[in-house]
Amino acid sequence: SQQGEEDPQALSIQEGENATMNCSYKTSINNLQWYRQNSGRGLVHLILIRSNEREKHSGRLRVTLDTSKKSSSLLITASRAADTASYFCATDGAFGGRRALTFGSGTRLQVQP
Amino acid sequence: EAGVTQSPTHLIKTRGQQATLRCSPISGHTSVYWYQQALGLGLQFLLWYDEGEERNRGNFPPRFSGRQFPNYSSELNVNALELEDSALYLCASSFDSGTGGTEAFFGQGTRLTVV
Repeated sequence: SQQGEEDPQALSIQEGENATMNCSYKTSINNLQWYRQNSGRGLVHLILIRSNEREKHSGRLRVTLDTSKKSSSLLITASRAADTASYFCATDGAFGGRRALTFGSGTRLQVQP
Repeated sequence: EAGVTQSPTHLIKTRGQQATLRCSPISGHTSVYWYQQALGLGLQFLLWYDEGEERNRGNFPPRFSGRQFPNYSSELNVNALELEDSALYLCASSFDSGTGGTEAFFGQGTRLTVV
């Protein structure tokens, strides 16, 4: 089963509003990463937060990590139409002693101009 | 610096045939991941290679296989193609610093269509 699961599956907001996406995972992790995908193309790395960090910022992006709840959130502030994309969380952890980068099913964000 | 390159961009095969997909990682990256993304769905983990060895495998049948070459490039082979194998196949590379992992860099994918 997928390690990370995002919610909501789809989100539609107006330009200028904030968008919040959540990710839950099941096992221990080394770090958690967020990626963006524009319609059927490759993924682009956005931000990485390590298991000993609680919050991280990058431009209009803010990521939080709560390892006790095994959850993370991605906040995009002052959204723009160009932010329309699918957003995935990925957990970098150990499974049976072997590491793997495992992705959730993604949140499709639509920002209306 | 060149990014992750995948070839071919598009591939059309008939059911029962074999498909070979190729991936060249970023120079210096030793890990290569393969993912399958069916239309409108999330990424399903297929295979992870590091330093020439298969390190982990997703929940896919044995007809999905691959290898990593000494130059760290990788090949994904899908035998006995089925219609449901139609998907975008994404390759990613990373460099494991050993201190908790690093980001993965993705190629643009190979769109495989099985007819």
